[in-house]
Amino acid sequence: KQEVTQIPAALSVPEGENLVLNCSFTDSAIYNLQWFRQDPGKGLTSLLLIQSSQREQTSGRLNASLDKSSGRSTLYIAASQPGDSATYLCAVPSGGYQKVTFGTGTKLQVIP
Amino acid sequence: DTAVSQTPKYLVTQMGNDKSIKCEQNLGHDTMYWYKQDSKKFLKIMFSYNNKELIINETVPNRFSPKSPDKAHLNLHINSLELGDSAVYFCASSHGQGARETQYFGPGTRLLVL
Repeated sequence: KQEVTQIPAALSVPEGENLVLNCSFTDSAIYNLQWFRQDPGKGLTSLLLIQSSQREQTSGRLNASLDKSSGRSTLYIAASQPGDSATYLCAVPSGGYQKVTFGTGTKLQVIP
Repeated sequence: DTAVSQTPKYLVTQMGNDKSIKCEQNLGHDTMYWYKQDSKKFLKIMFSYNNKELIINETVPNRFSPKSPDKAHLNLHINSLELGDSAVYFCASSHGQGARETQYFGPGTRLLVL
């Protein structure tokens, strides 16, 4: 059974700081890994989808890395802004790739 | 313009009532999902439909019955609501089947059972 853990559960940083969010998964036989953002009271927005054959995926100030063998992914946010404040979730396929399992999320607060 | 929409946004009801939540996507996707996010913000799959066919049915009480009248719609009917059903329910859709594609989420329906 795939289990996905995100540490820390919450993170508070001053504006402008670079930061790293972590995601660990127990079953390394994954097809891809996705990072989502959830704003308070809103749905999830897909940020990056990184295929298992890729090591990194970049979108603007965001960079996601994937190390399948160690069961880890990181989301790097450069030059953080108050607008980056949200909960970030990672998700990996499970159950024969018919569904995704979500992590518990990291709640990020960027202080102006 | 909205890709995945859900109605209602908020739902407050008494224990024992029956209620429905509707979901529509205008992305032309083949697969739709229902997720439940509990008070601890843990998001878990409930159901998945591909081309109106049920493909995932997690260990959800049979009081929950999804219905897909067509590819663009996936509704969730809940009978005999219980206090523990209080949560945020998200609908999502994706182009392909399973976890190989990016999923697009609706804004959520906040259900409170009193």
